[in-house]
Amino acid sequence: DIQMTQSPSSLSASVGDRVNITCRASQSISIYLNWYQQQPGKAPKVLIYAASSLGSGVPSRFSGSGSGTDFTLLISSLQPEDFATYYCQQSYSSLYSFGGGTRVEIK
Amino acid sequence: EVQLVESGGDLVQPGGSLRLSCAVSGFTFSSYEMNWVRQPPGKGLEWVSSISGRGNTLYYADSVKGRFTISRDNAKKSLYLQMNSLRAEDTAVYYCARGRIEMATKDYSMDVWGIGTTVTVSS
Repeated sequence: DIQMTQSPSSLSASVGDRVNITCRASQSISIYLNWYQQQPGKAPKVLIYAASSLGSGVPSRFSGSGSGTDFTLLISSLQPEDFATYYCQQSYSSLYSFGGGTRVEIK
Repeated sequence: EVQLVESGGDLVQPGGSLRLSCAVSGFTFSSYEMNWVRQPPGKGLEWVSSISGRGNTLYYADSVKGRFTISRDNAKKSLYLQMNSLRAEDTAVYYCARGRIEMATKDYSMDVWGIGTTVTVSS
């Protein structure tokens, strides 16, 4: 099974900050990597698919990069509504797996 | 409007059984692979199981293999998860999620989610 490791597990940032979240796969997964945002008490929402493609209706301050085993989610200018938990998920294997999550908190 | 609505969550004793349902509307159900994803209290997301559009290809996480069974009824536009031999560690919010394949890259993501149903395994 493919293991997904995210870092950091949590971070504190201010509105307007640039935020990077990384995700590492235990084996190469090409570009089959998605990012989700989960607000407290709500279901997850897909932000980025295929490593770098923006999901429908997702603001352009979100971007994704990477291929193989190392991936990054970038929020270029953090907004109040971006304080949430972010998860990566691989779709290279049909045994889909998620990273452990990164909680973005207000500094 | 595309909608997924889970039901069937409850408090159950260890070793017990429960059947979750997910009723869908707003899209051609039989054309999509479907998933169950769970989230223990205060913890991250864990993919549980998936089923192809026709229901003939099934996948399970190792943590539930042999205990859980995914199924679907395309005529009723419903997805199910039969959970047997339940353990305390199965306590979670269970989400159903639609699978989507992006044509250009063949990437697969879960693009529509329900609001979840809560399963608590405790004596």
